Amino acid sequence: DTEVTQTPKHLVMGMTNKKSLKCEQHMGHRAMYWYKQKAKKPPELMFVYSYEKLSINESVPSRFSPECPNSSLLNLHLHALQPEDSALYLCASRTGQAYNEQFFGPGTRLTVL
Amino acid sequence: DQQVKQNSPSLSVQEGRISILNCDYTNSMFDYFLWYKKYPAEGPTFLISISSIKDKNEDGRFTVFLNKSAKHLSLHIVPSQPGDSAVYFCAASVYGGSNYKLTFGKGTLLTVNP
Repeated sequence: DTEVTQTPKHLVMGMTNKKSLKCEQHMGHRAMYWYKQKAKKPPELMFVYSYEKLSINESVPSRFSPECPNSSLLNLHLHALQPEDSALYLCASRTGQAYNEQFFGPGTRLTVL
Repeated sequence: DQQVKQNSPSLSVQEGRISILNCDYTNSMFDYFLWYKKYPAEGPTFLISISSIKDKNEDGRFTVFLNKSAKHLSLHIVPSQPGDSAVYFCAASVYGGSNYKLTFGKGTLLTVNP
């Protein structure tokens, strides 16, 4: 199994809703990432988890709350989002060793109304 | 300040010819470089990488060249195929162990015409 899966594929939510994005990998990777990508822009790093501990938070607003329940699973909890948060949210993982590529999931297309 | 630059937003080539995508960087601490391919509404797919101790890495139709003195790398695709049409992102990192993170360029849209 060499893939990163993400659910849901699409999500539409109102500004008062609470929702969660899920990411899963079974490659034994120990580093997991959340990115945000707007149209015609490169992926923008949000969070890095290393060995299930949050190691990088790129000054992301608190309405985004990451969680890493175990080494295979990464969640992104969403609350009180703004329409400008609409984007493709990508999860990625890598082995945690030096000089290894990140494997990306297919993303969740989020629309905030 | 953009540390990884892809100055060509788009590139169009004929099927069977060579595609050359370019990338420049400013941070001399970068020591690992990657190319990703991305179709619309999908996640990026890893293509090929190169560490700073090498100047060339080849994998099938894809070759990446690194010129450290010029802080420049390029991806060559030979021969180009219509299925190669996608956005190509150059990315760079500084070795940081488990905290390593990628800095992406803005991407180049490659169109391969049949």
